[in-house]
Amino acid sequence: GEQVEQLPSSLIVQEGASVLINCSYTDSASVYFPWYKQEPGKRLQFIIDIRSNMERKQNQRLTLLFDKKTKHLSLHITATQPGDSAIYFCSVDTNAYKVIFGKGTHLHVLP
Amino acid sequence: DAGVTQTPRHEVAEKGQTIILKCEPVSGHNDLFWYRQTKIQGLELLSYFRSKSLMEDGGAFKDRFKAEMLNSSFSTLKIQPTEPKDSAVYLCASSLLGGQDTQYFGPGTRLLVL
Repeated sequence: GEQVEQLPSSLIVQEGASVLINCSYTDSASVYFPWYKQEPGKRLQFIIDIRSNMERKQNQRLTLLFDKKTKHLSLHITATQPGDSAIYFCSVDTNAYKVIFGKGTHLHVLP
Repeated sequence: DAGVTQTPRHEVAEKGQTIILKCEPVSGHNDLFWYRQTKIQGLELLSYFRSKSLMEDGGAFKDRFKAEMLNSSFSTLKIQPTEPKDSAVYLCASSLLGGQDTQYFGPGTRLLVL
């Protein structure tokens, strides 16, 4: 079945730095790739997504890159703030309904 | 719209007990997911309903875990009998179009099995 690998598992950066979170998957039939964020004590919330017919999507300080050939995604966060501290999850659809999540990246932004 | 609601928020159970977790999806959403979240395994899919029909019964979880969707606005997850290894956060999520659409998550139920 579909496998999703997310790296790194944790990141500690100084406020203002940029970070890159990588995600790779195995099923070439996957078409939808949403990312979620979970702040401490809060529910998971959607932050950005991309579909397989796109290569890049931007939402303010978030840029999501997609390489269909290598089955690889990268989430780039610029000008990080302490409020960005959270666990970030990539996810991949399978079979048009089932979703597999990466293990998450714990981001700590130091003031 | 209150979003996805889950009750209870916390549950403590003795090994062998039966517990029932509840979820109300976003009004109008057709699809509902139950997940288990642990630090080691991350998010694992337990069940998936499309328009109240069970599409995914969680494979390895089907033994003691049973999810039901009694109507389009209410779902339950029963764990019977509970084991200490079931201690985790149980999340409910809903979406309009299943896995190819944004999911809206509830706050979760934190379960501790002694």
